[in-house]
Amino acid sequence: GDSVTQMEGPVTLSEEAFLTINCTYTATGYPSLFWYVQYPGEGLQLLLKATKADDKGSNKGFEATYRKETTSFHLEKGSVQVSDSAVYFCALFIAKLTFGTGTQLKVEL
Amino acid sequence: DGGITQSPKYLFRKEGQNVTLSCEQNLNHDAMYWYRQDPGQGLRLIYYSQIVNDFQKGDIAEGYSVSREKKESFPLTVTSAQKNPTAFYLCASSIPIESNYGYTFGSGTRLTVV
Repeated sequence: GDSVTQMEGPVTLSEEAFLTINCTYTATGYPSLFWYVQYPGEGLQLLLKATKADDKGSNKGFEATYRKETTSFHLEKGSVQVSDSAVYFCALFIAKLTFGTGTQLKVEL
Repeated sequence: DGGITQSPKYLFRKEGQNVTLSCEQNLNHDAMYWYRQDPGQGLRLIYYSQIVNDFQKGDIAEGYSVSREKKESFPLTVTSAQKNPTAFYLCASSIPIESNYGYTFGSGTRLTVV
C-alpha cells in the first residue's frame, strides 16, 4: 500500500541553522504531497504542498520539491527560528491522506 | 471564520465507560475524518465519511463508532471495547474530489483513561 517514511527525530538545531527533514514515499499512482506542522497541544496545519513532479511548495521560508525520480519530498529552511519548534508530518494523497510518523524539531538559542 | 471545532479539549474516562468526542465544521466540506495520534506513531485513520449518512472504517476502527446525521457534524464515540483509548484524537475535513486541497484539522481532544 501507499506509505510515507520520514527521518526520525528529534532534530535539534541552533537558531539560524539550515534545516532538512527527509521524506520519501511509496505510492501506486501519482500522489499529491504535503507537509503539515503541529505545534504542542494543537492540531495539524498545512504548511505547503505540491501536486505534480518538479513542483516546489513554499511557505513561511520552508520549501519542498516533488522529486518523482527519487520519490522524495524533503523539507528545507535556510534559517530556523525558535518559533519553528514543532512536529512536522509529511503526507501523500491518493484517495486518502497517508501520513508519515512525524519528525520533532527543536530549535535552541 | 470557517474552521473545525473539537470539544472538549481534555476528556477523562473511567474504565468501562463510553465517551463521545464532538467535531463540528462550518467549511461546507463534504468529507470528514477521525484520526488517532499516539507518540511516535503518527496519525492513524479511525473512520471517515464522504457524505451525510454514510461512513467507512479506517485502519483502526475497532472499539469506535461514528455517525454523520448532518453535514457539519461527525461525532466519535470511544466505546468500552477500545482497550487502550488514551490518545490524542484529531478531526479533519476536506473537499474530497480536489486531491490537492489538503485537509483542515481541528485542535484535537486529549482523552485519558483514569
